[in-house]
Amino acid sequence: QSVLTQPPSASGTPGQRVTISCSGSSSNIGSNYVYWYQQLSGTAPKLLIDRNNQRPSGVPDRFSGSKSGTSASLAISGLRSEDEADYYCAAWDDNLHSVFGGGTKLTVL
Amino acid sequence: EVQLVESGGGLVKPGNSLRLSCTASGFNFNTYTMNWVRQAPGKGLEWVSSISSSSSYIFYAASLKGRFTISRDNAKNSLFLQMNSLRADDTAIYYCARADEAVVIRGVLPLAMDVWGQGTTVTVSS
Repeated sequence: QSVLTQPPSASGTPGQRVTISCSGSSSNIGSNYVYWYQQLSGTAPKLLIDRNNQRPSGVPDRFSGSKSGTSASLAISGLRSEDEADYYCAAWDDNLHSVFGGGTKLTVL
Repeated sequence: EVQLVESGGGLVKPGNSLRLSCTASGFNFNTYTMNWVRQAPGKGLEWVSSISSSSSYIFYAASLKGRFTISRDNAKNSLFLQMNSLRADDTAIYYCARADEAVVIRGVLPLAMDVWGQGTTVTVSS
């Protein structure tokens, strides 16, 4: 069982807006940055959102992140077929380890 | 080109050992925290270990119970993971990943993992 809690699945149709939640605690999300990673099928993870809401170079502005208290969210607007992937939230935990969410499989219908 | 290439994976019997390597290129290896993250078949990502740029700060997942050791050789731009007493549930793809580090009162903490290798597969089976 993962320290950070994500819904196992999410879905949307092309053009829709989808959000994925990530719930943690005061020792991780509540006191440290949240990161989001995208993993396309059969490939290595890719950093999607840095420091709660910062998009690395090359990441479309359709992707946005937010954080409030001990929870965080990833929003994808203008959903496209190529967004179909697994999405993971992550954070440092003050108990001296990194933690990942269990992952959310996004299906574009 | 910024790149991480893992090697050393393979098929190993339960109880045996394996040493993974990760070779970096295209960036100043000695200024980044390096990490190992694994992914069991059909499962999610699991953080394994992190080592700061100077090797002064090392962190492990509690679930490893002292069986794994992370190290690095900055002169050779290389990261290592020594895995002992391997078990079937260690079967996974092992990724190395680069992270900026933040200097805080408590020491040095890893930030986002912004560059990942392609992974090396470890299979533990008799």
